[in-house]
Amino acid sequence: QVQMQESGPGLVKPSETLSLTCSVSGDSISGSFWTWIRQPPGKGLEWIGYIYYTGSTNYNPSLKSRVTMSVDTSKNQFSLNLRSVTAADTAVYYCARRINGGVFDPWGQGTLVTVSS
Amino acid sequence: ERVMTQSPATLSVSPGERATLSCRASQSVSDNLAWYQQRPGQAPRLLIYGASISATGIPARFSGSGSGTEFTLTISILQSEDFAVYYCQQYNNWPLTFGGGTKVEIK
Repeated sequence: QVQMQESGPGLVKPSETLSLTCSVSGDSISGSFWTWIRQPPGKGLEWIGYIYYTGSTNYNPSLKSRVTMSVDTSKNQFSLNLRSVTAADTAVYYCARRINGGVFDPWGQGTLVTVSS
Repeated sequence: ERVMTQSPATLSVSPGERATLSCRASQSVSDNLAWYQQRPGQAPRLLIYGASISATGIPARFSGSGSGTEFTLTISILQSEDFAVYYCQQYNNWPLTFGGGTKVEIK
């Protein structure tokens, strides 16, 4: 069964770039869509964007100007870069597989990223 | 952007009772609606997609209904492990959007 694990710094300074990687095990990253979703502490869920294994992407317009996603099929990983972060970007970041047109399953356990100096 | 509104924000229910959660879309999303369960400290888990199709391994006490703009998640007999936050999500239009969640708590 597919399992996903996020990794990256837990603390990022304001104005810098948040970088996270999601490692996929139990299935090849090829042939599927992969997505990032975030959840500020105590709040709801926000879809950030998705990437296809070919590298094509679709980002949430609210974040599009600051987001870049990439995929490394040789490592079975995909990544998120979010530039010019502020405290409002503090959240638990989840990676997930996108299936059936836009449903997320499974999810990684999530990683908390705090933006603070 | 499709705005998803869930009600109530909090639902107090006794174990063994039925829980009915609502989700409303600002415009039609057809049947492209999913439900997720999030227990404290855990990632969300897919329960329902296509408005009424149960995901793999989901107990039969969870059921979904609706289409267009009005959707319902029903938990027929609440178990202790069902006390959690539930989110609806539309995938009919970009960007993909979630509702604000309904917390099901023990009465």
